[in-house]
Amino acid sequence: GENVEQHPSTLSVQEGDSAVIKCTYSDSASNYFPWYKQELGKRPQLIIDIRSNVGEKKDQRIAVTLNKTAKHFSLHITETQPEDSAVYFCAAGATGGGNKLTFGTGTQLKVEL
Amino acid sequence: DAGVIQSPRHEVTEMGQEVTLRCKPISGHDYLFWYRQTMMRGLELLIYFNNNVPIDDSGMPEDRFSAKMPNASFSTLKIQPSEPRDSAVYFCASSLLHNTEAFFGQGTRLTVV
Repeated sequence: GENVEQHPSTLSVQEGDSAVIKCTYSDSASNYFPWYKQELGKRPQLIIDIRSNVGEKKDQRIAVTLNKTAKHFSLHITETQPEDSAVYFCAAGATGGGNKLTFGTGTQLKVEL
Repeated sequence: DAGVIQSPRHEVTEMGQEVTLRCKPISGHDYLFWYRQTMMRGLELLIYFNNNVPIDDSGMPEDRFSAKMPNASFSTLKIQPSEPRDSAVYFCASSLLHNTEAFFGQGTRLTVV
């Protein structure tokens, strides 16, 4: 089955700096890569996703890149703000496997003033 | 739509008791997922349904866990008998199609004492 590894487990940045979270996956059949943000005590919520036919996708301060050859994808947050502080999860899924997503272990991002 | 609705939000029970968690997916969504979240293991997929049919239950930890989806608008996750190590937050999520956004419910925080 799919195995998703996520690094780092914790990340602390100064407000205004950029943050990068990296994930690798094992199943070459995976073709859908969403990123979820989970604030303390809340549900995970989708912030951005990318499909395997695209190498990069951007939405305001958030961007995701995908390298299919190397089987890794990354989340980039620019101009970080205190409200970006949360746990971020990457995930990978394959159409052939229904909509089964395998999640990474999460990254606790702390944006310090 | 009010989103994915789970009940109860919190459950405290004694070891050995039966626990039933409930989920109402977003109307029209074809896929329903049950996840368990713990600090140690992160977000784990327990089981998922497509059009009310269980597709993959390989994540169900033991025979003590069972899940049903009697109709398109309701699913249950049952633990019988419960054990302290079952303490976790259990999330239900639903999505419309293959590899599209999975919407999470608010979760049920289960504590088994």
